[in-house]
Amino acid sequence: AQSVTQLDSHVSVSEGTPVLLRCNYSSSYSPSLFWYVQHPNKGLQLLLKYTSAATLVKGINGFEAEFKKSETSFHLTKPSAHMSDAAEYFCVVRSASKIIFGSGTRLSIRP
Amino acid sequence: DAGVIQSPRHEVTEMGQEVTLRCKPISGHDYLFWYRQTMMRGLELLIYFNNNVPIDDSGMPEDRFSAKMPNASFSTLKIQPSEPRDSAVYFCASSSGGGRGGTDTQYFGPGTRLTVL
Repeated sequence: AQSVTQLDSHVSVSEGTPVLLRCNYSSSYSPSLFWYVQHPNKGLQLLLKYTSAATLVKGINGFEAEFKKSETSFHLTKPSAHMSDAAEYFCVVRSASKIIFGSGTRLSIRP
Repeated sequence: DAGVIQSPRHEVTEMGQEVTLRCKPISGHDYLFWYRQTMMRGLELLIYFNNNVPIDDSGMPEDRFSAKMPNASFSTLKIQPSEPRDSAVYFCASSSGGGRGGTDTQYFGPGTRLTVL
């Protein structure tokens, strides 16, 4: 069975400080893992994806994520938050014919 | 490319009415997905197609929901009869390839906001 858990429903950071959005998954197969971002009243946009190549994946807008098989985690990070990063972030696991979205983490940025 | 196109962008209807949502995927993409997003349940995959054939419809909530893809450039999601609990934002997404492991990127449309009174 597959599942994905986003450990925080809401994260608030100050502008210029690091961002950490946590995601844990379970999968019976070797999964593909994705992070998507959704800005208010918009569709989802891919930030980055892991597809069994390098375990450290770099995405758009300075985001990156590290696949840790031993911890079944795929946490999203950014060294320095910007006001435009305020959005909802979704972790996604895809394996075989199944696609599972996490419940989302709302990222707020304080000036 | 114009991206994934969805219509209408907003739909308000009364309980019991039939609702049809439309999606035009990105040209050349062979996968098409329908999602529903609500505050209570988050983002749910309803159904997806590969080469116009439904692959997994286990997320379709009940028989009132149906989806078709008559050709590679068009898909519909129909709700008949609609109920207030169907109120949500419905997203369509498309992707190219990816095989069984699904490494492909999905491109999302802007969504249709459905309100059932």
